[in-house]
Amino acid sequence: EAGVAQSPRYKIIEKRQSVAFWCNPISGHATLYWYQQILGQGPKLLIQFQNNGVVDDSQLPKDRFSAERLKGVDSTLKIQPAKLEDSAVYLCASSLFQGTGDTQYFGPGTRLTVL
Amino acid sequence: TQLLEQSPQFLSIQEGENLTVYCNSSSVFSSLQWYRQEPGEGPVLLVTVVTGGEVKKLKRLTFQFGDARKDSSLHITAAQPGDTGLYLCAGSGGSNYKLTFGKGTLLTVNP
Repeated sequence: EAGVAQSPRYKIIEKRQSVAFWCNPISGHATLYWYQQILGQGPKLLIQFQNNGVVDDSQLPKDRFSAERLKGVDSTLKIQPAKLEDSAVYLCASSLFQGTGDTQYFGPGTRLTVL
Repeated sequence: TQLLEQSPQFLSIQEGENLTVYCNSSSVFSSLQWYRQEPGEGPVLLVTVVTGGEVKKLKRLTFQFGDARKDSSLHITAAQPGDTGLYLCAGSGGSNYKLTFGKGTLLTVNP
């Protein structure tokens, strides 16, 4: 079974530029998550989708971050404009359903450096 | 906001030693998960504990969920270099079973 795919793996941009990340979840997984992991910290949930609807985006900085999940499969996360403090690894995860004990499968992440 | 405190933050030991890492919170979680993350990779789930007082074993790893479902521990017996990595605990709660992660314990096992 193929895992969660993410691209690109690495991205370096200058502040105020825009950037987009792509995620392809495990086939059949209804729930998709985007996390931000700053160096030395655990992942922080940015947004959670159930199929193509948003379940939780309470920690998404909506003035600069946006995400969509068209057709309930692939997802993109965009930052516009980027700030220095956005430097982090952006992880995508998917799960079969949404519930206690459900396993989230993580992709390898995209490491973003903002100069 | 639910917070999870992990300790120690860093741990460097010799192969064959035993160790315990802790995950504590003032909040009650419906379940708690432990992950291991290696450099350049996403976290990989090791175990999920759901019942207060529950103990689960995975080879040399023993996980315990506190009776009040607020804390957990991970004990590794006879650590090996392959155990090296970042160990993260994550609590699940709320209507959407949102995961809240701790900052992790970075374990290095030296040969």
